Amino acid sequence: KQEVTQIPAALSVPEGENLVLNCSFTDSAIYNLQWFRQDPGKGLTSLLLIQSSQREQTSGRLNASLDKSSGRSTLYIAASQPGDSATYLCAVRNQFYFGTGTSLTVIP
Amino acid sequence: ETGVTQSPTHLIKTRGQQVTLRCSSQSGHNTVSWYQQALGQGPQFIFQYYREEENGRGNFPPRFSGLQFPNYSSELNVNALELDDSALYLCASRMDRGHAEAFFGQGTRLTVV
Repeated sequence: KQEVTQIPAALSVPEGENLVLNCSFTDSAIYNLQWFRQDPGKGLTSLLLIQSSQREQTSGRLNASLDKSSGRSTLYIAASQPGDSATYLCAVRNQFYFGTGTSLTVIP
Repeated sequence: ETGVTQSPTHLIKTRGQQVTLRCSSQSGHNTVSWYQQALGQGPQFIFQYYREEENGRGNFPPRFSGLQFPNYSSELNVNALELDDSALYLCASRMDRGHAEAFFGQGTRLTVV
């Protein structure tokens, strides 16, 4: 059974810092991996989608990498801003399995 | 703006009642999935529909059922509501081809009292 883990559960950083969020999965048959952000009480906003055959994707200040052999993906956020404060979730296998998220707070 | 809309945004029901939640997908997205998200948890997959047929189901009892219509709308029905059904319910749609990106609605907050 696929399990998706996100550590840490919460992270607080000063504005301007570069940061990395982690997503681990136990089964490498993932089809794809998608990163989302979620603001409190809201739906999910898609950030990046990486297909199983890809190694990374970039969008603006965000870069996501995928290493299936180690069962890991990282989301890199450059020059963090207070508006980046949200919960970040990863999902694998056509969004069937989700992690529990990392709650990010960027302090002005 | 994801092009996926859900209604209602909030709902309060009494234990034992039945509820219907609605979702309107992006045009051209024939796959719709429903999720339950408890506070502080990641979304849990309930089921998925493709061209009006259920083609995947998570670990949810049969009192959770769904429908998908040809006009890209869909429903989640929950019978015999329990207190633990209180959660944010999310729907997501995606294109058929390959392993595509999913787009989520804003969710329906269901409270069972």
